[in-house]
Amino acid sequence: DTAVSQTPKYLVTQMGNDKSIKCEQNLGHDTMYWYKQDSKKFLKIMFSYNNKELIINETVPNRFSPKSPDKAHLNLHINSLELGDSAVYFCASSQFDRGSYEQYFGPGTRLTVT
Amino acid sequence: QKEVEQNSGPLSVPEGAIASLNCTYSDRGSQSFFWYRQYSGKSPELIMFIYSNGDKEDGRFTAQLNKASQYVSLLIRDSQPSDSATYLCAVRPRGDSWGKLQFGAGTQVVVTP
Repeated sequence: DTAVSQTPKYLVTQMGNDKSIKCEQNLGHDTMYWYKQDSKKFLKIMFSYNNKELIINETVPNRFSPKSPDKAHLNLHINSLELGDSAVYFCASSQFDRGSYEQYFGPGTRLTVT
Repeated sequence: QKEVEQNSGPLSVPEGAIASLNCTYSDRGSQSFFWYRQYSGKSPELIMFIYSNGDKEDGRFTAQLNKASQYVSLLIRDSQPSDSATYLCAVRPRGDSWGKLQFGAGTQVVVTP
């Protein structure tokens, strides 16, 4: 069974478009994260939700808007896409209430903006 | 100064040898330390975590933490070609309450038969 899943796996779109990425975890975790990995492979946290509450909100353009309808799902909507948004976006989850900080990653969504 | 630093490599290791990876961090109060393995085109996979000074062993992997010297290392014993990947070090900084990990840029390991 897939633990953390993301859709779509690949996303190719033009500048100026709006797109969404979806993430679901079946680990029963209470915390989910969005990361961006750029072309240099540097992984940087963007957002995190704990039980549907936004707890980490890094310095990210406000064109990026996360949403967590429940603790098993986390979506990322991106408005007015720019070339610099091209990257791989990873979702991750962890079980926070046990004081556990181990994070488990989804397969990633490779976004290409042309 | 980067918050988490790793030698980018590639680190070339003969099959069967020990691969030794190092990671240094700038925040002396950092709390938790993680090693992830990332194959090309795949997602990071958690392979080790360590919270206290000393060594932690899991199979062929050993993580070593020295908070006084602000480094964490990963040893891979009996290296196999399947260990060829990029290894990411991640650190949870002082004051973090929500798992806001800081990642290094990764060390590429190449195990040669």
